Amino acid sequence: SQQGEEDPQALSIQEGENATMNCSYKTSINNLQWYRQNSGRGLVHLILIRSNEREKHSGRLRVTLDTSKKSSSLLITASRAADTASYFCVGGSEKLVFGKGTKLTVNP
Amino acid sequence: EPEVTQTPSHQVTQMGQEVILRCVPISNHLYFYWYRQILGQKVEFLVSFYNNEISEKSEIFDDQFSVERPDGSNFTLKIRSTKLEDSAMYFCASRPTSGVLGETQYFGPGTRLLVL
Repeated sequence: SQQGEEDPQALSIQEGENATMNCSYKTSINNLQWYRQNSGRGLVHLILIRSNEREKHSGRLRVTLDTSKKSSSLLITASRAADTASYFCVGGSEKLVFGKGTKLTVNP
Repeated sequence: EPEVTQTPSHQVTQMGQEVILRCVPISNHLYFYWYRQILGQKVEFLVSFYNNEISEKSEIFDDQFSVERPDGSNFTLKIRSTKLEDSAMYFCASRPTSGVLGETQYFGPGTRLLVL
């Protein structure tokens, strides 16, 4: 599997604002997945986008994938304090390789 | 909704002791994984397991580590002689073999291991 590099490393916003996180990867992938990790807890799968898809929605989440640029973005709309967490992108489905993530803080 | 469960949630042990971390994957899943996360660091892959054998393992997964699926529901990680540097959060994950959800690994809540 492919490690993604998330950017920015940290993001602080107010509740109700949108949060955008970016991911870049180096080699071709079959799919790209986003996970969330609340401090000291397990990883929660958010969304998977396949290499032949350009955009996908799930609730307040919107993911885009640009395979020509080897990049993806995760948009969380109308953020809530409960969205405070670290967010990771990983390519592939087998041995997942996690980066440092984007640490999102949503201030009430 | 089915979940991966792990026990215990916390384990404290003395250096040199053996520990067994337990996981119950989601019932129809056939691929199993262990990862670990040292405090403040990245989540690291340890091992993958399918069809009762190891599919892949990382450099971290040395002879001190072993995995087993002793019955139809449990998946265990054993550390034979723990070291201080084994202190970490250990995550189990599982995924089905096929279908729409077959590409996604589902993680348990983790076991926090502290080696003194």
